[in-house]
Formats: sequence, structure tokens, C-alpha cells
Amino acid sequence: DGGITQSPKYLFRKEGQNVTLSCEQNLNHDAMYWYRQDPGQGLRLIYYSQIVNDFQKGDIAEGYSVSREKKESFPLTVTSAQKNPTAFYLCASRDRGSSGANVLTFGAGSRLTVL
Amino acid sequence: AQRVTQPEKLLSVFKGAPVELKCNYSYSGSPELFWYVQYSRQRLQLLLRHISRESIKGFTADLNKGETSFHLKKPFAQEEDSAMYYCALKHDQGGKLIFGQGTELSVKP
Repeated sequence: DGGITQSPKYLFRKEGQNVTLSCEQNLNHDAMYWYRQDPGQGLRLIYYSQIVNDFQKGDIAEGYSVSREKKESFPLTVTSAQKNPTAFYLCASRDRGSSGANVLTFGAGSRLTVL
Repeated sequence: AQRVTQPEKLLSVFKGAPVELKCNYSYSGSPELFWYVQYSRQRLQLLLRHISRESIKGFTADLNKGETSFHLKKPFAQEEDSAMYYCALKHDQGGKLIFGQGTELSVKP
């Protein structure tokens, strides 16, 4: 069925390691987003991409990197430079063509724990 | 700067009681606002948006530009309403949403 798939669901990382979280969508949406969800802080935007081969930093991009080589895929790399990477990461997409929609569809999330 | 504030981290009510989850925003233009909900072990999903002026699962939200608020209301809470609720404001750039801190609603039997 159509939707957004995030993998892995749970990921453990040692300090100093880079990890990549996968986000794939088959909704044919143009725009994709990465949010970080922390208790008491809501969702904070890390990076977003409105079109293939283009992306912009969000509010908390430091220590993260992304790529958008295909419309369906928007992987997020959490680098060793990220000071506090333990969190729940949410990927979302949006159909820019839907008039007045601006509705985000979310994945199930990936929980990253740094040991 | 555009900002969304949800002042309550936790709201606990009894089944059948009215519930109001507060949301205030900061934006000088014409806002586009949303409520998203995350039930236990489920994905974050859209509950309602102000431009639709709809009622979903008995919830309504009215935009008050004078008070810069978009509070979520339901006259009679049900146990299945227990969830995390996020208010969101569409940003001017990129269609991205700015989320509030979230309010956990707990409806007790």
C-alpha cells in the first residue's frame, strides 16, 4: 500500500560512528522532510527537500546530512558531529501539487540510541 | 519569527468531560494551521486543519486571529482520545510545518 517507509525502526550506535536512516515513499510526493521528536520539545525540522537534487537546512541541521538523488528516497545521515543524537526521527512527505493541501504524511519513525 | 506554543505538556480529564487543548501562534501574515495526533504505537497523522472548518472525531478548532489562537475542543472526551496532540503552523518557505511542543491528553475512565 502507499506510504512512507522508514528503516531501521531501532538503531544503536556507538559514539563516533555515522549512521544513515532510510526514508522511502511511493506516494509520488515532491517534497520530503526530516524531523526530530524529543519529549517536551515537539518536532524540530532537520532538513527538507522540495525537489530532487535540492535540499535546505531546517532549524537543527548541524551534525546531520541528507541527499535527494531520487524522488522516492531521502536518507538522513547522523554524523559523529551531532552532539546529542539519541532521539526519535520522523520522515514526512508532501504533495506540492495538491491545491491547498500542505498536509504532511509521516513515516513510522526510527529510534536512534547512542551507546 | 513564526512560532507555535502549546502551554500544557499534559492534560488529564475524565471520560465525558469537555476538553480544550490550547495552541497559540506567532505570525504576522494569514496563518494556515493544523492539528496532528499521535496515538500510542501509531504514526503521526493529520487530525484537522482550519481551512477545512471540519469536525473530526468530534474535535473542532477555530482560528481566532485576534487572540492568535487555534485551540482544539471536544465537548465530551472519550478514552480513545488519549494521545499526543501537536499544533502546527505552515511556514512561508518550503511548505514546512512548525510544530508546537505537544500536549499529551489522558482521558480517564
